Amino acid sequence: SAVISQKPSRDICQRGTSLTIQCQVDSQVTMMFWYRQQPGQSLTLIATANQGSEATYESGFVIDKFPISRPNLTFSTLTVSNMSPEDSSIYLCSVRAGGSTDTQYFGPGTRLTVL
Amino acid sequence: SQQGEEDPQALSIQEGENATMNCSYKTSINNLQWYRQNSGRGLVHLILIRSNEREKHSGRLRVTLDTSKKSSSLLITASRAADTASYFCATLNSGTYKYIFGTGTRLKVLA
Repeated sequence: SAVISQKPSRDICQRGTSLTIQCQVDSQVTMMFWYRQQPGQSLTLIATANQGSEATYESGFVIDKFPISRPNLTFSTLTVSNMSPEDSSIYLCSVRAGGSTDTQYFGPGTRLTVL
Repeated sequence: SQQGEEDPQALSIQEGENATMNCSYKTSINNLQWYRQNSGRGLVHLILIRSNEREKHSGRLRVTLDTSKKSSSLLITASRAADTASYFCATLNSGTYKYIFGTGTRLKVLA
């Protein structure tokens, strides 16, 4: 299994500002993902962040709003830019285990509130 | 939407009873996973079942998979108050190789 940590665990931000969320994994992983979970909802995939290539964004998410960095196999950042109250969500980092299982593990999440 | 659906949306039972949650999905899958989420925190991986498996057990958890009906169920036996959480299924789409999450079931176990 993989142990994933995220910083910050929660934050309250003002409209129009940006927040960068960090994700650290205790082992090298190829596939890393960022999800959003709006209040009371399920998880929605924002983008896939593989090391050495640009992040791939899902429909409805764009790089200008959610820039992602993946400098190495254990670390990634997600920035939520020019925030509005609609961005208030839990943001989750996730990695997929290698081998034949394809098990996917999640970090503890970052709870973001935008005022 | 390709999102899977779970039912019931919410379930309230007494401690010691069994809890059954169902997940339906729409696409061809490689595997299906069940997760638990406590009060808006991170997801905890519970169990993975491959598309060629029909049933799997882990402690008090029993998962079934019926690929012909595109459905899965999670049974928690002898429930405890600590099982109170939201439970999500996630299917690995065999075309896109991405996980799609179900809508979730909120389970409340009363002591």
